[in-house]
Amino acid sequence: DTGVSQDPRHKITKRGQNVTFRCDPISEHNRLYWYRQTLGQGPEFLTYFQNEAQLEKSRLLSDRFSAERPKGSFSTLEIQRTEQGDSAMYLCASNGEGAREQFFGPGTRLTVL
Amino acid sequence: AQKITQTQPGMFVQEKEAVTLDCTYDTSDPSYGLFWYKQPSSGEMIFLIYQGSYDQQNATEGRYSLNFQKARKSANLVISASQLGDSAMYFCAMRGRSGGSYIPTFGRGTSLIVHP
Repeated sequence: DTGVSQDPRHKITKRGQNVTFRCDPISEHNRLYWYRQTLGQGPEFLTYFQNEAQLEKSRLLSDRFSAERPKGSFSTLEIQRTEQGDSAMYLCASNGEGAREQFFGPGTRLTVL
Repeated sequence: AQKITQTQPGMFVQEKEAVTLDCTYDTSDPSYGLFWYKQPSSGEMIFLIYQGSYDQQNATEGRYSLNFQKARKSANLVISASQLGDSAMYFCAMRGRSGGSYIPTFGRGTSLIVHP
């Protein structure tokens, strides 16, 4: 399978804990996006990488959130000191230079107790 | 700021009939792209169709067509010959420049149920 993969698919954590999610884009894609989707809403943009450079960050991305893409391949999204409001589906997407559509992964569902 | 509005929380259609899902948008950027994605209950977003702001003709992809009315700032999705497998959430999205940033914006979605 050469689609976008995300790990883990589900994460349950206690408030105050740190969590880290991984996204592996389609191998030839140099652009990678992170989104958050809560129940009944569309995806909300969090951040965007072109190769290893983080080019855009949403104001939604508080100081507790950090994302990296150190070698321009996979990316990690870390949430520190999780809060119940962080409970959501975290989606990763990728595309290539000049491409229009984004290819989405299956998402990581985070539940903060 | 750019905004996508989907006013239909839910739509019902009978199998084999056509259905239109509404989407209006707002942006100050003259160059933008409009997208529709499908999200089945499994959760994965699936790209359906794209319309560029300078495209002269409405986009079509198989049973999907986009009714683009630039003056009205609307980009409705038309699904012809609905199938049971079309039951899903449908999201309209836009990619354009807002406040110096090039950020994708999604609507709240429309739930489509196709019944036999």
